[in-house]
Parts: sequence; C-alpha cells; structure tokens
Amino acid sequence: GQQLNQSPQSMFIQEGEDVSMNCTSSSIFNTWLWYKQDPGEGPVLLIALYKAGELTSNGRLTAQFGITRKDSFLNISASIPSDVGIYFCAGLLPGANNLFFGTGTRLTVIP
Amino acid sequence: EPEVTQTPSHQVTQMGQEVILRCVPISNHLYFYWYRQILGQKVEFLVSFYNNEISEKSEIFDDQFSVERPDGSNFTLKIRSTKLEDSAMYFCASEAGLAGYEYFGPGTRLTVT
Repeated sequence: GQQLNQSPQSMFIQEGEDVSMNCTSSSIFNTWLWYKQDPGEGPVLLIALYKAGELTSNGRLTAQFGITRKDSFLNISASIPSDVGIYFCAGLLPGANNLFFGTGTRLTVIP
Repeated sequence: EPEVTQTPSHQVTQMGQEVILRCVPISNHLYFYWYRQILGQKVEFLVSFYNNEISEKSEIFDDQFSVERPDGSNFTLKIRSTKLEDSAMYFCASEAGLAGYEYFGPGTRLTVT
C-alpha cells in the first residue's frame, strides 16, 4: 500500500511553544487531511487541503499542501495541554475514494 | 453536531467466532467506510461502500470480511471466523461527497482471544 511517512514520530514540548510536523509520500495526492486522535477515540478531522500550495488555518492550526503534491505540514501555535494526542496526516490519491494514513506524530505538551 | 456512532465500544470474542460490528453513519451521507487500527499503528483502509455496493477494498478485506447496509441507517462489518490478528480498533467513517471529508466514529475495540 501507499506509504506516508510522518516526522517526527513523537514530540515533547512545553506549553506555549509552537509545533511543526510534516508528512511525505512518494505518490502524488489530490487531497491532504490532518486528523487528531485522542486515546481510545476515532480520528477527528482538523484541516482539509485540496490544492497544491494551499495554506489553510483553523484557529491555532495551520497546514499547507506541498507544491509537489507529495507532502504537507501542520503547525500548531502556542500549544496547550489539550493539544496532546496523535496527529495523523491522510491523503486521497487521484481517482480513489479511500484515505491513506500516515504513521502518526505523538504530541505531548508539558504544562 | 451530527456524528457517526458505533456499537459495541468493545467486543471480546474467541478465535473462530463470527462478529458483527455496527455503525450508524451521519444521516445524509452517501459514502461509508471501514478502517482498522492495530494497537500503536496507523489507521488502515478496509472497504468503501456506496450505492449499496462495495466500491473499493484493500488486500486486508479478504473473504472473511463482509459489509452490509441492512436498512437506511445501519452499516455493518462482519468477520466470519475471527483470527487473533483481527484484534484491533475498527472505525466506521462516512462522507457526504467524495471530497475526502470523512467523519470517523469512536471505534469498536475488537479483542480476539
């Protein structure tokens, strides 16, 4: 299957710091999505990106769809304790209707 | 806000038994999905369903798996004869259109002993 690699695998940051994580693939995607998953729960959609180069914000979150269509990044500004969780990127291939998920970035925010 | 619901939240079954996992997608959505997540790993696509038939399935979705939309609201995943390696969280998702905007349910944790 498709391989979406996320980095870093995990992060430990102080409350108030900014966070940056990214997702890369060898394949071109039509859509990039970022999800957050809390323990024992389903992924919750944070941001959806539909065009190469698109930069979209949702509150303290900003994500960009890479120009090559093979990567995306997610930034979180001024982190707070409830930002703790696993962040997954997911992509939609041209012509497909199912998502391929990245390997995840586990974020820990230290108060 | 409308949400996808799943039952049960946790299912324990013995190897070889059949299980049915249930989902109620968001009511005006047309596309339905099952994904699974083995503990500590990424979410993996199993199957998509549209217009009362399977539209796509992964190599994980073998003959032991089947899906059904028995009425206008439920969407089920059946595993005919469970194996130990079927132990995972199973997520249902639904979508209004094909924009990639999938909403996930809270998941069913399946434990096969």
